[in-house]
Amino acid sequence: ETGVTQSPTHLIKTRGQQVTLRCSSQSGHNTVSWYQQALGQGPQFIFQYYREEENGRGNFPPRFSGLQFPNYSSELNVNALELDDSALYLCASSNPGGDRRRQETQYFGPGTRLLVL
Amino acid sequence: GQNIDQPTEMTATEGAIVQINCTYQTSGFNGLFWYQQHAGEAPTFLSYNVLDGLEEKGRFSSFLSRSKGYSYLLLKELQMKDSASYLCAVRDYIQTGANNLFFGTGTRLTVIP
Repeated sequence: ETGVTQSPTHLIKTRGQQVTLRCSSQSGHNTVSWYQQALGQGPQFIFQYYREEENGRGNFPPRFSGLQFPNYSSELNVNALELDDSALYLCASSNPGGDRRRQETQYFGPGTRLLVL
Repeated sequence: GQNIDQPTEMTATEGAIVQINCTYQTSGFNGLFWYQQHAGEAPTFLSYNVLDGLEEKGRFSSFLSRSKGYSYLLLKELQMKDSASYLCAVRDYIQTGANNLFFGTGTRLTVIP
């Protein structure tokens, strides 16, 4: 148990719909990173939030967006869902200790498995 | 960009030792991580190397050579529960502006009796 929680655990949507996934970071962690993991692949970095601001983004289109709240929990929103968005969505929390470029180990939540039909 | 390579699959016998290799190319190297991931579960942290050399942690050890862009994870006294995917991840701060992780595709290890 890492103390990182995600909801929901599973979700089925249809193409074109919108989805919101949620993550609560480990106590004391102010940084949340989101990853997409397709079947048989390693996780791919989507974006990161540090103290409520986006702190870097991977190669994902703008229909992938996010938020971080004052309690450091976070949301991942995906608009106009496509079939290829079907994947395990992982969030990971860490605590860079005040320096946004310095990070300690990232601890992953259990993930949300999204299926787009 | 980043390029992280590791074998796709490996098989080893219970009680034996196995070494999983990882080679990488990255622009802003800031550490290498190994994670274990059982099927359908989240990755769990195993080890972290940022300086050259060997880090030992019980049955697991990880080695890093920054000049060669090379790491390995060594698992000793293999147990059946070690059957999982092992993910090599490089921390890079240049490409995306964040100190995030770039993962390989993972090595699926099967431990047989």
